[in-house]
Amino acid sequence: SAVISQKPSRDICQRGTSLTIQCQVDSQVTMMFWYRQQPGQSLTLIATANQGSEATYESGFVIDKFPISRPNLTFSTLTVSNMSPEDSSIYLCSVEGRRETQYFGPGTRLLVL
Amino acid sequence: GNSVTQMEGPVTLSEEAFLTINCTYTATGYPSLFWYVQYPGEGLQLLLKATKADDKGSNKGFEATYRKETTSFHLEKGSVQVSDSAVYFCALSAPTGNQFYFGTGTSLTVIP
Repeated sequence: SAVISQKPSRDICQRGTSLTIQCQVDSQVTMMFWYRQQPGQSLTLIATANQGSEATYESGFVIDKFPISRPNLTFSTLTVSNMSPEDSSIYLCSVEGRRETQYFGPGTRLLVL
Repeated sequence: GNSVTQMEGPVTLSEEAFLTINCTYTATGYPSLFWYVQYPGEGLQLLLKATKADDKGSNKGFEATYRKETTSFHLEKGSVQVSDSAVYFCALSAPTGNQFYFGTGTSLTVIP
């Protein structure tokens, strides 16, 4: 299984600002995924990020709000732009492993005031 | 379409009690099925999985059997411990593409 780290682990931000979350994997992976987990809720896929191409966003998520970079096969960033309190969530990255399994990072806990 | 329906929580059990968390799914084709666990303050960890009908996934005393006839993947453990207190998510991986579909999660609290 892949070892995935995320930075920051948590942050408290003011509304209107932006936060960039980093996701680092210890091996090269083709696909990385970004999820949002709102308080008490399940996971919602934000986008899929392939190296060398634009991220593919799910319905309800747009690039202007959640720009994603994928500069190489071990790293990705998700930016939460122009934040509002409704963006307070846990943001998780994941990678696809063997046999369709996904492995998750520890998450970034974001509180927007 | 693809979806996962999971037993509502929260669930509170005494230590050594038997645990069942129900999970049913809707999918086109033959998905792979997963249980993930999220301990307080942590990310999701893969608990177990099954990739075809009648497969049984097992790990740390937990088991789940892929039942195609009832489209179910119920999680069971014969004797829970306080350390099992966590949120459990049932998920499926669509047979086409890479999309995961998660249930709403079931919070389990085990009391001594």
